Amino acid sequence: EVQLVESGGDLVQPGRSLRLSCAASGFTFNDYAMHWVRQAPGKGLEWVSGISWNSNIIDYADSVKGRFTISRDNAKNSLYLQMNSLRAEDTALYYCAKCWYGDYYFDYWGQGTLVTVSS
Amino acid sequence: QSALTQPASVSGSPGQSITISCTGTSSDVGGYNYVSWYQQHPGKAPKLMIYDVNNRPSGVSNRFSGSKSGNTASLTISGLQAEDEADYYCSSYTSSSTWVFGGGTKLTVL
Repeated sequence: EVQLVESGGDLVQPGRSLRLSCAASGFTFNDYAMHWVRQAPGKGLEWVSGISWNSNIIDYADSVKGRFTISRDNAKNSLYLQMNSLRAEDTALYYCAKCWYGDYYFDYWGQGTLVTVSS
Repeated sequence: QSALTQPASVSGSPGQSITISCTGTSSDVGGYNYVSWYQQHPGKAPKLMIYDVNNRPSGVSNRFSGSKSGNTASLTISGLQAEDEADYYCSSYTSSSTWVFGGGTKLTVL
């Protein structure tokens, strides 16, 4: 059974940092690109960042470029998102999602981890 | 990158068909056949319903179909059922090597 389990969400003050993790199981992790997608409370989905299977290709949304860093550890079947200089507008439920190599859609999503940025 | 444009809400009676539109630009929807659609029930994670404009993943009902014309993609749900009531989001790959989502459409089954 495919599982993506996000963790690391928390209440944090503006300007601080947070690291999210996504533990993957039930599929061959290094066959897939991985992405982070977020959803602010009561709002729509926003793509945040994606990383190729071998970490050679990394992309970010303009809204997080220079502040967030995506990474992965294929030996640990894990995806990460380092979030620095957090802002109130980063408050959201953060989902990790997988995307088969060469595809352009997210075929499975985790349940999300909540990040709240507030003083 | 601006969000794709979807109607905020649509509604239909059981058994009817509805269509949700998703309008972008030549840099996203119009430029690639990489439009996908996701269903999200309250408090749940999104679920892939359509990929590459008009393909259904295994396990998704054939009542769901997708199409595209120019810069506008569409999701059609035929034979509406109560369980189809949810939020629906379109997504497209873009010329900036990023992804963009629509603002979401709330489907109400009357």
